Amino acid sequence: NAGVTQTPKFRILKIGQSMTLQCAQDMNHNYMYWYRQDPGMGLKLIYYSVGAGITDKGEVPNGYNVSRSTTEDFPLRLELAAPSQTSVYFCASSLPGPNEQFFGPGTRLTVL
Amino acid sequence: AQSVTQPDIHITVSEGASLELRCNYSYGATPYLFWYVQSPGQGLQLLLKYFSGDTLVQGIKGFEAEFKRSQSSFNLRKPSVHWSDAAEYFCAVGRITGGGNKLTFGTGTQLKVEL
Repeated sequence: NAGVTQTPKFRILKIGQSMTLQCAQDMNHNYMYWYRQDPGMGLKLIYYSVGAGITDKGEVPNGYNVSRSTTEDFPLRLELAAPSQTSVYFCASSLPGPNEQFFGPGTRLTVL
Repeated sequence: AQSVTQPDIHITVSEGASLELRCNYSYGATPYLFWYVQSPGQGLQLLLKYFSGDTLVQGIKGFEAEFKRSQSSFNLRKPSVHWSDAAEYFCAVGRITGGGNKLTFGTGTQLKVEL
């Protein structure tokens, strides 16, 4: 099992550009999540999904969009990149209920 | 709303010394609690979790944590720290809603180990 994979590992964007961060899991988990991590701030939930076709906003959704067409994939879209979106992005997945979340290795994004 | 406080931003201990990382949570019902560890440039790895039952839980790498409801705390301990334990540690509290399994993370404690 590869677990949770994320691509790319690093990316530099110019202000106003768009991009998609890819996330995939091979554990057949229904639940998937996107977090951003900023220094000294811990992890903040951006969006989450409880299954294919079902997504909802987390704590900091502004400037992002998601889709979930399959159980395995949960891409995160940035439409108009802003410097405030410079961060490290983590994707995670879990089974329903009070279960641990499994994290990917992260994508470090810089917007200049 | 749930929240987590990790009052120590940085902690430095000598190798072989004992360690305690503090975590306090705020939650209206019985929480479920996690400790995760993050090595530089890596994702988060679960150390241990508490859902119910025995309030002293054992995790990987020799870590343990004790749930104290009266103090709203879930402190992480290790009797003898190894240099490889240097990393950032996150406490998280979770709640189950109809729409998912949401975690709220603390701001983390950076552990430095002196040889």
